[in-house]
Amino acid sequence: EDKVVQSPLSLVVHEGDTVTLNCSYEVTNFRSLLWYKQEKKAPTFLFMLTSSGIEKKSGRLSSILDKKELFSILNITATQTGDSAIYLCAVQSNTGNQFYFGTGTSLTVIP
Amino acid sequence: DTEVTQTPKHLVMGMTNKKSLKCEQHMGHRAMYWYKQKAKKPPELMFVYSYEKLSINESVPSRFSPECPNSSLLNLHLHALQPEDSALYLCASSQDPGRLNTEAFFGQGTRLTVV
Repeated sequence: EDKVVQSPLSLVVHEGDTVTLNCSYEVTNFRSLLWYKQEKKAPTFLFMLTSSGIEKKSGRLSSILDKKELFSILNITATQTGDSAIYLCAVQSNTGNQFYFGTGTSLTVIP
Repeated sequence: DTEVTQTPKHLVMGMTNKKSLKCEQHMGHRAMYWYKQKAKKPPELMFVYSYEKLSINESVPSRFSPECPNSSLLNLHLHALQPEDSALYLCASSQDPGRLNTEAFFGQGTRLTVV
């Protein structure tokens, strides 16, 4: 059975801290791994990773994939209160077209 | 236009009602999805349409009936729902299902309450 697990489930940090969010997966015929940020309603796209070892970076956020160990991390440096959200990891397989979401990590950044 | 538009934003319905959720995108995407999300839980896949044909039904009860009238529209018809069906219903779309490396774009969702 395909499975996507994120850790930690929740995290509370102070502004300026650096956080690392984890996503591990067991998916048949892996195609890509995606990170989303969900605040109130729609998940918004952050990164898509398909190749191992290549870091994707956008401002204070970065992510990397390890296809051998079947996990990805999302790093956020110099956190701000606006980073408070649920961060979702999703994995897409080549069989069918579905995106399977992980359990999510709820991040709270306090001033 | 990089939006997925869902209507209505909020819906309250009784257990004997029939209602429909609508989703629209004009990005030329050929894969469209319905997800159900309960509070503090990740989105759960319900249905996938590829090229207007139902390709995946994740064992969803028949009181939920999807419909894809054309490549831009996706509906979810609701009938005889239960209070436990109350949730945020998210629609998403992605590019040509045959292409690699494509992300899903999400609508803002419909907050459904069944009373």
